[in-house]
Amino acid sequence: AQSVTQPDIHITVSEGASLELRCNYSYGATPYLFWYVQSPGQGLQLLLKYFSGDTLVQGIKGFEAEFKRSQSSFNLRKPSVHWSDAAEYFCAVGGTDKLIFGTGTRLQVFP
Amino acid sequence: SAVISQKPSRDICQRGTSLTIQCQVDSQVTMMFWYRQQPGQSLTLIATANQGSEATYESGFVIDKFPISRPNLTFSTLTVSNMSPEDSSIYLCSVDVGSGRAATPEQYFGPGTRLTVT
Repeated sequence: AQSVTQPDIHITVSEGASLELRCNYSYGATPYLFWYVQSPGQGLQLLLKYFSGDTLVQGIKGFEAEFKRSQSSFNLRKPSVHWSDAAEYFCAVGGTDKLIFGTGTRLQVFP
Repeated sequence: SAVISQKPSRDICQRGTSLTIQCQVDSQVTMMFWYRQQPGQSLTLIATANQGSEATYESGFVIDKFPISRPNLTFSTLTVSNMSPEDSSIYLCSVDVGSGRAATPEQYFGPGTRLTVT
């Protein structure tokens, strides 16, 4: 069955610290992988996507993610977190028909 | 990318009534999707709405409860019928603007409609 697991429900970091949000997936074929961010009261914004090729992908707002096929993972990273990064982050997997979303990780940033 | 708007942005409705949510996109797209995000939860796909064909519903969602229209390539509506408090959610539409010969998927989301049913 196709699924996405985000093991961390809530993460708290200090501003300026590095960040890694975990995502594991189960998918029958080569997956398309995505990270979205949702700020309070907002819709979802696409941060980055992976389809093929270089396993390290760069996104907007200084985020990057690394695809590791052997671990079925697509973890999101940022070297230095800003207070404005506080939001809910969703990992998603899918194809051209639909996306399956993880349960999300809420990021809290302390000054 | 795509710019997507939804109306209304929020509403409070009485049980037993229906609400129609509109989704407008600034470019022509083939595939549009409707998702539900219950309080504190992730997104669940309700249905896929392609212009010129009937909407395809996911397991657990039926047309009588969530009728969808897709009259053209830039617009869609979702109706939440005979509402109950359990329908209180954020409803989001999205579009797939996948480009290139590989037609890789790339979904963009509207701001959502926050529905409260009392």
